[in-house]
Amino acid sequence: EVQLLESGGGLVPPGGSLRLSCIASGLKFDNYAMTWVRQAPGQGLEWISLIYSTGTTMYYADSVKGRFIISRDNSKNTVYLQLRSLRVEDTAVYFCTKMAGVANPLDVWGQGTTVTVSS
Amino acid sequence: DIQLTQSPSSLSASVGDRVTIACRASQGISTYVNWYQQKPGKPPKPLMYAASSLQSGVPSRFSGSGSGTDFNLTISSLQPEDFAVYYCHQTYNTPRTFGQGTKVDIK
Repeated sequence: EVQLLESGGGLVPPGGSLRLSCIASGLKFDNYAMTWVRQAPGQGLEWISLIYSTGTTMYYADSVKGRFIISRDNSKNTVYLQLRSLRVEDTAVYFCTKMAGVANPLDVWGQGTTVTVSS
Repeated sequence: DIQLTQSPSSLSASVGDRVTIACRASQGISTYVNWYQQKPGKPPKPLMYAASSLQSGVPSRFSGSGSGTDFNLTISSLQPEDFAVYYCHQTYNTPRTFGQGTKVDIK
């Protein structure tokens, strides 16, 4: 069974930083692109970032471009999301997801890690 | 960026009803649409991919259709466990985007 386990969330003041991690198990990790999706309290889903299997190609939503950095370590089956210059509006549950082949659906989701940006 | 607009934003239905949720894209996206179901406090669950293909383990009462700009998710006979929020999601290009969600609740 493929599983994704996020960690690293917490309470951080505006302007602060965090690094989220997502460890994958039950799959050949370096075969798959990975994404991060977030969900603010009571709101819908927001796609944040995508990294392809080799780790050399990344994309970001405009809302986080220049502040967040996605990376991966295939030797550790782990994808990271570095969050910098955090804003109150970045408060959300952050989900790590695996991207499948045909039409690239997000076919496996972690349980999420909560980031709260508040003074 | 491609905008996805779902309609309705919410609906009330009874067990056994046929329910259809629409998703309209701001430009043509072929069949690069996927659908997810989310229940409170849980991560989204994948339902459909490539507009009309059922994810493994998803009941056959769920179906998807459409191409280009207009897509539908249909539940042929609503069951108690289907009351949830449903999202469409485009993977035609980046940034990938989601619809705003459709909440299906009990009438």
